[in-house]
Amino acid sequence: NAGVTQTPKFQVLKTGQSMTLQCAQDMNHNSMYWYRQDPGMGLRLIYYSASEGTTDKGEVPNGYNVSRLNKREFSLRLESAAPSQTSVYFCASSVVGNQPQHFGDGTRLSIL
Amino acid sequence: EDQVTQSPEALRLQEGESSSLNCSYTVSGLRGLFWYRQDPGKGPEFLFTLYSAGEEKEKERLKATLTKKESFLHITAPKPEDSATYLCAVQFSGGSNYKLTFGKGTLLTVNP
Repeated sequence: NAGVTQTPKFQVLKTGQSMTLQCAQDMNHNSMYWYRQDPGMGLRLIYYSASEGTTDKGEVPNGYNVSRLNKREFSLRLESAAPSQTSVYFCASSVVGNQPQHFGDGTRLSIL
Repeated sequence: EDQVTQSPEALRLQEGESSSLNCSYTVSGLRGLFWYRQDPGKGPEFLFTLYSAGEEKEKERLKATLTKKESFLHITAPKPEDSATYLCAVQFSGGSNYKLTFGKGTLLTVNP
């Protein structure tokens, strides 16, 4: 049982390049989330999808777009990467909103 | 603004030396409080959910408790494998069902 799978695990980009981070869950969860984790800060919500077909902004959405491709998959896109977007990105899923979120192991993204 | 504060930032224990971690939050109403464990290079792993003051949950050497303004994670007779960063996250009532506010975490080191 894989849970939440994120690809790639590591990536280095140059400023201005674009990239899509992929996330898939096999737990039949309705809700999915994207977070970023930076040193000295708590996890911050970028976007979430309450259910298939819906997406909403979180705390730090600027510079990102998301797509809920189907119930299993939720992708995060950086259209024009900036050094400030260097971070570890986590995808999570939950049955519904007020239930525990289960996380993947992250994508470590460096933007030069 | 709803905030979550964890203390201490770091805690070093000897194997078998019991202690507690604290998670306090500004009160605008609590919908749920979640504890996670995060190992280096991994995503947060769900431990407990607490929904109302007075509630307690236990798992092996860990016990989580909740009052109206804070939660404690008690670690009894810890072992080196309990070393990790422990994260607290709060879902505030009056806000979205889908948004968690995370604390910055407590880095626990248990020496043999």
